[in-house]
Amino acid sequence: SQQGEEDPQALSIQEGENATMNCSYKTSINNLQWYRQNSGRGLVHLNLIRSNEREKHSGRLRVTLDTSKKSSSLLITASRAADTASYFCATAQYRDDKIIFGKGTRLHILP
Amino acid sequence: NAGVTQTPKFRVLKTGQSMTLLCAQDMNHEYMYWYRQDPGMGLRLIHYSVGEGTTAKGEVPDGYNVSRLKKQNFLLGLESAAPSQTSVYFCASSYSPGEETEAFFGQGTRLTVV
Repeated sequence: SQQGEEDPQALSIQEGENATMNCSYKTSINNLQWYRQNSGRGLVHLNLIRSNEREKHSGRLRVTLDTSKKSSSLLITASRAADTASYFCATAQYRDDKIIFGKGTRLHILP
Repeated sequence: NAGVTQTPKFRVLKTGQSMTLLCAQDMNHEYMYWYRQDPGMGLRLIHYSVGEGTTAKGEVPDGYNVSRLKKQNFLLGLESAAPSQTSVYFCASSYSPGEETEAFFGQGTRLTVV
């Protein structure tokens, strides 16, 4: 079964608003990664947060990690039309070689 | 720097036919992965490799075989294609997930089995 589960499955917001996507996972992890996928394209890495980190910032992106709740969030501030895409969390477990993805959140930015 | 290249990009197979998908990376990565993506299911790991000559099963390995004869190439084979294998297939490579490095993805292969 898949390790990560994103919430919500789909999200539509107005341009300029903030978008928050959540990811829950089941087992202990070494790190958690977020990826973006534009329609029909491959995935692009956005951010990686280690299990001993709580928050990371990169431009308009903010990623948080709560290992006690086994959850992470991705916040996109001041959304733009170009942010319309699917967003996936992926986990790499300690002493495991696999990268396991969740089902993703489809984000649609309305003009 | 090409990154991860998948061939072919599109393919239509008849049920029972066989085919091989090729993934090539030029980043000297040890780890390579094959995923399939279906609507509403996200990406599911089929098989992966931790180095030349090694392969391992992922979440959904049935009906697929893989080989990693050269470090830069990871092949995914379908011996007898079934309509349930209609999907978009993605290859990815990574230096090492345990070293906290990202995965790089190819552009995908859209496979239809009729």
